[in-house]
Order: sequence, then structure tokens, then C-alpha cells
Amino acid sequence: GAVVSQHPSWVICKSGTSVKIECRSLDFQATTMFWYRQFPKQSLMLMATSNEGSKATYEQGVEKDKFLINHASLTLSTLTVTSAHPEDSSFYICSASPHDRGRSYGYTFGSGTRLTVV
Amino acid sequence: DAKTTQPTSMDCAEGRAANLPCNHSTISGNEYVYWYRQIHSQGPQYIIHGLKNNETNEMASLIITEDRKSSTLILPHATLRDTAVYYCIVRANRDDKIIFGKGTRLHILP
Repeated sequence: GAVVSQHPSWVICKSGTSVKIECRSLDFQATTMFWYRQFPKQSLMLMATSNEGSKATYEQGVEKDKFLINHASLTLSTLTVTSAHPEDSSFYICSASPHDRGRSYGYTFGSGTRLTVV
Repeated sequence: DAKTTQPTSMDCAEGRAANLPCNHSTISGNEYVYWYRQIHSQGPQYIIHGLKNNETNEMASLIITEDRKSSTLILPHATLRDTAVYYCIVRANRDDKIIFGKGTRLHILP
């Protein structure tokens, strides 16, 4: 149980276009999901906390107008990279935890989306 | 900032036990210790977690010192597929965001 599906697994887009990445909790509900970015040979960097039914909370230094997050249901959060540039090329990963579980359960991570902007 | 410190890298011979240390000297009483690993180009995978007592599951064992300021993840019989970056994380509440440190890059040597 506690499966998080991320789509697409990889995407190539042209500079200036927008790309949407989906994160779904397949067998549980999640009021909170997290979005991370990872550059080669670096650790995961938390970008934002996605809250179902309300605005996302962004980490310092992350442009909210560039990385649009929508969490319209308890099973789906989307990250849209707007006006993508080559420096946005990265590995994007989401995570979530079952809503009805206690704090002793860990988060499940998606398999990641590799974005390449050309 | 991450609340843990780990060695940058470690080597372990295949078939031997891999012991990965983690220092979390500022851990609070209500914070759990979690371990995740990330195999190249994949999302992190949950391994194990604990509060005070030692824990064991099908993947690994977690040994937490009595003062809770450090812990050790033990992979009893390491295989080549255990080559990954291992992250030690402390967190309290269910919805606490997970902040990753740099982790330990574990190389399993054939």
C-alpha cells in the first residue's frame, strides 16, 4: 500500500513552454504532498508543500509564479513549470503520506520526473 | 538545514554487513529517526524508522543509542543492489516536511 505515482517519468520541452507534472496517491488520500528538485550529484531540495484545497507553501528562493502547484483533490497534486528554461532542467520528485495514518509512518515518494529543457 | 550528519561515502564488501552511522545530537524527544535510500535516478525509498528502541524489518536494522544522539543503519548482508545514497532524517509531526541532508553514498564492492 501507500503508492505514489508520478507522470510523466521524463519530458523534453522547448525553452519558453510550460510543463505539467502530476503526482497521484493511488491507494490513499493525502492532504499534504511535497515537491522536490534534485540536480545531478546533489541531494533533494524541497521546493514547496502542496496543501489540498489551499495555496501551496513555497520554500525560500523558490519562485511561486514559475512553479505553479495545484492540489485540487486528496489524490492529485500538479506542478507546472512555466516558461521553462534550460536551468530548470532537473529531476522533480513528489512525496505524500497517508492522511489517516499516524506520525510514525514514513512518506512515500514518486519515481520522479526528469525534465530536460532545450 | 538538515538536523543530521553522515559520512559522505562508505564502501562495503558484498555479503558483509553494511553499518551506516548518523549523528543527530540535537534530536528532540518527539522526533523519530527515519532512513531512506535513493538508487540512481529513482525516488527515495523508505527503509526503516524508530523512536527509542532498536528496530528490525525485512530490509534492515536500526540501532539507536540510549541518549538518542546517534543511530546506525545495518544492512545485514549487503548486495550490489544496495548501492545507493542513504539518508538519515529526523522528524516529529506527521506532516513535517522532510529535509534531506547530503546522505551517505554506499558502494557495495563485488
